[in-house]
Amino acid sequence: SQQGEEDPQALSIQEGENATMNCSYKTSINNLQWYRQNSGRGLVHLILIRSNEREKHSGRLRVTLDTSKKSSSLLITASRAADTASYFCATDAGHGNKLVFGAGTILRVKS
Amino acid sequence: NAGVTQTPKFRVLKTGQSMTLLCAQDMNHEYMYWYRQDPGMGLRLIHYSVGEGTTAKGEVPDGYNVSRLKKQNFLLGLESAAPSQTSVYFCASSYSRLAGGNEQFFGPGTRLTVL
Repeated sequence: SQQGEEDPQALSIQEGENATMNCSYKTSINNLQWYRQNSGRGLVHLILIRSNEREKHSGRLRVTLDTSKKSSSLLITASRAADTASYFCATDAGHGNKLVFGAGTILRVKS
Repeated sequence: NAGVTQTPKFRVLKTGQSMTLLCAQDMNHEYMYWYRQDPGMGLRLIHYSVGEGTTAKGEVPDGYNVSRLKKQNFLLGLESAAPSQTSVYFCASSYSRLAGGNEQFFGPGTRLTVL
């Protein structure tokens, strides 16, 4: 079973626009992480937000976390064609840094 | 640093054959993981290890075995491959929680097809 569910499943935008992806999860968490996967490649860690944090920024990335609603959002501002990839949220709820991944959002940025 | 490497990159097996996937990391990470990724789905944890000589089951362990004889290596074995094991397999590693680790570092993946 997958803990996180991303919405939308796919998103197509123009270069320069902002992209927002949402993630919902089911159980209490220690932290929530976002990863990017380019086609045919492994996942790359983008950002981590802990359960006691509400918002975090990293460059053009902004992540929010609402533990009362069990949801998170990832905002990519001023998108570029190079941002085209799949984005996954992953929740860390316990022992061994185990992560449970959502099904991902496919982002396509058109130039 | 090479980071996390996986061998092989591609493999085609016939039903019933066995094989071992090798994962190696050079970051001195305590924790290592094996995932599978199927179309339209996120990654699902097969097995993981929190240290040399220890392994534990993840979400989808059936049909797989693992070993962590050395800290830097984590092997995933398929004893009798089935078509349902056709997938892309990813290895990952991380520092222990005690060392402040949370993010996982992923290898490039192994694409396995079972005919």
